[in-house]
Amino acid sequence: EAQVTQNPRYLITVTGKKLTVTCSQNMNHEYMSWYRQDPGLGLRQIYYSMNVEVTDKGDVPEGYKVSRKEKRNFPLILESPSPNQTSLYFCASSPPGQSTYEQYFGPGTRLTVT
Amino acid sequence: DAKTTQPTSMDCAEGRAANLPCNHSTISGNEYVYWYRQIHSQGPQYIIHGLKNNETNEMASLIITEDRKSSTLILPHATLRDTAVYYCIAPLNNLFFGTGTRLTVIP
Repeated sequence: EAQVTQNPRYLITVTGKKLTVTCSQNMNHEYMSWYRQDPGLGLRQIYYSMNVEVTDKGDVPEGYKVSRKEKRNFPLILESPSPNQTSLYFCASSPPGQSTYEQYFGPGTRLTVT
Repeated sequence: DAKTTQPTSMDCAEGRAANLPCNHSTISGNEYVYWYRQIHSQGPQYIIHGLKNNETNEMASLIITEDRKSSTLILPHATLRDTAVYYCIAPLNNLFFGTGTRLTVIP
């Protein structure tokens, strides 16, 4: 089944403890992206990647890192999480040869930082 | 990205057409209009997009005015499963999801 998967789906952690949220897609998509969703603010893009080894900042990149070593994986790294990074996170990917705005989203990761 | 304006919420009776409006008066000539929806806290789902011609797919129809300053997403026969937040986006560099329209389909 074609899909975008994220792990973990739920995570509670403490301030400063490094964590990684994984994202994987099995559709050979070149474009991948991370978003966070907060009440009243809609979805905001954190980072995106046009292809392997090509990443760029979105609207809210502070406090996050990403890497794209393989086409299928695009992990989101929080080196030193803080409570203001408590949010619902979505990974997305887009098919090659089509608009990068036609995106497939993962199920989401709900992160709580205490 | 062109700024888009949508009503905060709308209701629609089950089985009737749901017409969701969006204003994008600052849209430029090469900006498409995209529609997504998000059911509860699931990942957003792509619905449809268009440039200036009306578009239809298995999920919905998109009507774009001739001056391209507004558009309407039409769900022809709304069901309870169409209850969701609907986002109208006119991206130039990336997708920016605002707060959208919360559509409630009423039995």
